Amino acid sequence: GDSVTQTEGQVALSEEDFLTIHCNYSASGYPALFWYVQYPGEGPQFLFRASRDKEKGSSRGFEATYNKETTSFHLQKASVQESDSAVYYCALADTNAYKVIFGKGTHLHVLP
Amino acid sequence: DAGVTQTPRHEVAEKGQTIILKCEPVSGHNDLFWYRQTKIQGLELLSYFRSKSLMEDGGAFKDRFKAEMLNSSFSTLKIQPTEPKDSAVYLCASSLEGSGNTLYFGEGSRLIVV
Repeated sequence: GDSVTQTEGQVALSEEDFLTIHCNYSASGYPALFWYVQYPGEGPQFLFRASRDKEKGSSRGFEATYNKETTSFHLQKASVQESDSAVYYCALADTNAYKVIFGKGTHLHVLP
Repeated sequence: DAGVTQTPRHEVAEKGQTIILKCEPVSGHNDLFWYRQTKIQGLELLSYFRSKSLMEDGGAFKDRFKAEMLNSSFSTLKIQPTEPKDSAVYLCASSLEGSGNTLYFGEGSRLIVV
């Protein structure tokens, strides 16, 4: 079945560091790909999406590019802030079944 | 507009009890999802409804978990009987068909089974 793999369970950075969180997927066809962010005590919030090869999604300084060749959608940010500390989830939407499948999440800690 | 509303926010149950979690989706949304969230497994899909029809019945979760959508603005998730391994946060999300599957989540119901 379809799946999403996030290789980092936790990432610790200092403010102004460059961020990369890796996301790889396994699915047939062209699934839509997403990033969500979750703050403590809240549900996940939609960050952005991309629907086709080489499309870049972005929001709040975060960005990711859909890469069908490498089946990846890695999240990046040039300069993180302490307020970016949260759990980040990569997800895909199966275009046939419409359901949304999430990776296990990456906990980002940004130290002041 | 009101977002997704989940009740209760916290529940403590004894092993073997029946618990019912409730969800009100965003008004006008016709897709509704139930997820279980744990630190080890992350977000696992339990059930998925489109226009009140059950599209995904949870696979491995079928035997003790039952989700229902009684009308377009209310859904329940029943766990019967509860086991300690069911301790988790249960999240409800909704989306508008044709919106590209962008999900709006509630704040979740934290269940502890002792």
